[in-house]
Amino acid sequence: AQSVAQPEDQVNVAEGNPLTVKCTYSVSGNPYLFWYVQYPNRGLQFLLKYITGDNLVKGSYGFEAEFNKSQTSFHLKKPSALVSDSALYFCAVRDIAPNDMRFGAGTRLTVKP
Amino acid sequence: ETGVTQSPTHLIKTRGQQVTLRCSSQSGHNTVSWYQQALGQGPQFIFQYYREEENGRGNFPPRFSGLQFPNYSSELNVNALELDDSALYLCASSLEGDGDEQFFGPGTRLTVL
Repeated sequence: AQSVAQPEDQVNVAEGNPLTVKCTYSVSGNPYLFWYVQYPNRGLQFLLKYITGDNLVKGSYGFEAEFNKSQTSFHLKKPSALVSDSALYFCAVRDIAPNDMRFGAGTRLTVKP
Repeated sequence: ETGVTQSPTHLIKTRGQQVTLRCSSQSGHNTVSWYQQALGQGPQFIFQYYREEENGRGNFPPRFSGLQFPNYSSELNVNALELDDSALYLCASSLEGDGDEQFFGPGTRLTVL
């Protein structure tokens, strides 16, 4: 069965610095990989996805993610962090069977002014 | 374009009771997935409905059941509530296809006393 791991519970960065939120995955076939963001008392918002093609995927709000098949990783990145990026970030993987999406435990990103 | 909506926002029940949560999918979406998000954890897949048929199920007992209606709205029913059922229940809609991103509603916060 597919699974994802987010090794960091918390990531702290200063505003204007680059940020990275890590994700590794395990699937039996080709992965469909996603990043979502959750603000307090809100549902999840889609940021970006990797299905196939270029390993560098660009998404919403200036975020991008790099798919690395050899390292089974899909790290989320942003060149310059904003205080408003502070939120809970979830990596997710979807396999064709049994047709469900598996989420990581989440990483809380705090961007300090 | 109308986003995913869920009702009610909050709900308090006692052990042994039954609950029904409702979800209206985003316009044009024919697939609805339900997730349980316990405090401090990532969402856990409950099941998915595609064109009124169950299309995948996670590791949840049969007392978790669902329906999808011809207009693609959906219900999640939980019988014989247990304390551990206290969580945020998220509904997500998407178009047909494994690679499509899911759009989440704001969730229903269920508290079981």
